[in-house]
Amino acid sequence: DTGVSQDPRHKITKRGQNVTFRCDPISEHNRLYWYRQTLGQGPEFLTYFQNEAQLEKSRLLSDRFSAERPKGSFSTLEIQRTEQGDSAMYLCASSSQGVPETQYFGPGTRLLVL
Amino acid sequence: AQKITQTQPGMFVQEKEAVTLDCTYDTSDPSYGLFWYKQPSSGEMIFLIYQGSYDQQNATEGRYSLNFQKARKSANLVISASQLGDSAMYFCAMREVNFGNEKLTFGTGTRLTIIP
Repeated sequence: DTGVSQDPRHKITKRGQNVTFRCDPISEHNRLYWYRQTLGQGPEFLTYFQNEAQLEKSRLLSDRFSAERPKGSFSTLEIQRTEQGDSAMYLCASSSQGVPETQYFGPGTRLLVL
Repeated sequence: AQKITQTQPGMFVQEKEAVTLDCTYDTSDPSYGLFWYKQPSSGEMIFLIYQGSYDQQNATEGRYSLNFQKARKSANLVISASQLGDSAMYFCAMREVNFGNEKLTFGTGTRLTIIP
C-alpha cells in the first residue's frame, strides 16, 4: 500500500494563470477530501467525494475552483485565474466508510502565486 | 465560535519527558470522533490516534494516549517518553457524525519542540 500521493509537490505560478493538482487516494478508499492550509493555521475543508460524486463543497471553494473525480479513483483540483491569496498548502485525504473513519493524508502540494 | 481550540501555540519539552497537548472542542452532536494528527516540517499530516464519543476507555496507541474528558469537552494528547523525532506541529480535529458532515474541523495546532 503506497498511501495517498499528490502531484506536484510544489508549484510556483504567476497571478492569473491556471493550475491543476492531482491526488491519488489509497486504492480501496471510496472517499476523497481536499483541504487547504495557510501558514499558521490548521487545514480547512474544501470539498469531498464519495466515489465519483462530489457531495459537499465549502464556501471557501469559489467559482474559480473546481474539483473532479471522474472514475471514482484519482481526483484533480483546478484553480483558474490564480490570485496571491491562493498561496497555500493543498492537502488531499482519503478514507473508507466505517468506524472510525480515519482520513489519511497525502504529502500536499505547496502553491506559491507570484 | 471555535469548534476546536488548542491554546498552546508552542511547547518546549526535554527529551524523555512526557508531554500533554491540550484540545477542547464544542459540539451539540452526541456522536462525534476526535483525531490527533502530527505534521512534520515536510508537511504531511500523519494520523496518530482516534477517540469516539461513545468510547468508554481512553484511546492508546503506543506512546500516544488520549485523555478524554467528555463532560469538560476536552481531548488532550499525552506523549510518553518524548523523542527528538516528536518535534512537529500537532493538530486536534473533530468529525461530527450526525450533522451529515464528513469533513474534519481542525484546531490551529501546537508546535512541539523536543530539547536534547
